[in-house]
Amino acid sequence: QVQLVQSGAEVKKPGASVKVSCKASGYTFNSYGINWVRQAPGQGLEWMGWISAYTGNTIYAQKLQGRVTMTTDTSTSTAYMEVRSLRSDDTAVYYCARGLRLDYAAPFHYWGQGTLVTVSS
Amino acid sequence: DIQVTQSPSSLSASVGDRVTITCRATQSITSFLNWYQQKPGKAPKLLIYAASNLQSGVPSRFSGSGSGTDFTLTIGSLQPEDFATYYCQQSYSTPLTFGQGTKVEIK
Repeated sequence: QVQLVQSGAEVKKPGASVKVSCKASGYTFNSYGINWVRQAPGQGLEWMGWISAYTGNTIYAQKLQGRVTMTTDTSTSTAYMEVRSLRSDDTAVYYCARGLRLDYAAPFHYWGQGTLVTVSS
Repeated sequence: DIQVTQSPSSLSASVGDRVTITCRATQSITSFLNWYQQKPGKAPKLLIYAASNLQSGVPSRFSGSGSGTDFTLTIGSLQPEDFATYYCQQSYSTPLTFGQGTKVEIK
């Protein structure tokens, strides 16, 4: 069965970086894209970006452009999402989600369990 | 950016009620509209994709309709396990955007 298992919770100081991993199993990793979505405490869902596990091509949300990098390691079927220059409003649960298809427009079919990132001095 | 607005933001309903949630986009997104259910402390779950397609394993009491700018999620007969927050999402163009959510609570 398809599983996305994310790395554990992180506590970071403002200005630091965080890198969250998402290890996939149960399917051919490079046949699908991975999206990253975050949810601030008590708030709604925010799309951060998409990466093709086939080509490595990325599309980032404009508001995060320059601070976020998404990568994949096909040898370990793992996707990574790094946010730099963390601010307090980056405090959120971060989710990886696999689409129904490879392209960025694919509905988010499978989700990781979420990783809480807390930014606090 | 395409914005999607859900209404209502919350509702109270009883088991067995028919519930309708609407989602309106700021421009035509044809049928690139998906619906998710999220329960507290859990990841969202895909219910409906491409406006009206029921995701495998999702009960048939859930249905979606609409095209262009106006969309509807209907729960035919509300069950206890359906109390949750529902989000619409447009996947017509980036940035992909979600509605603000509709919290369905027990009356």
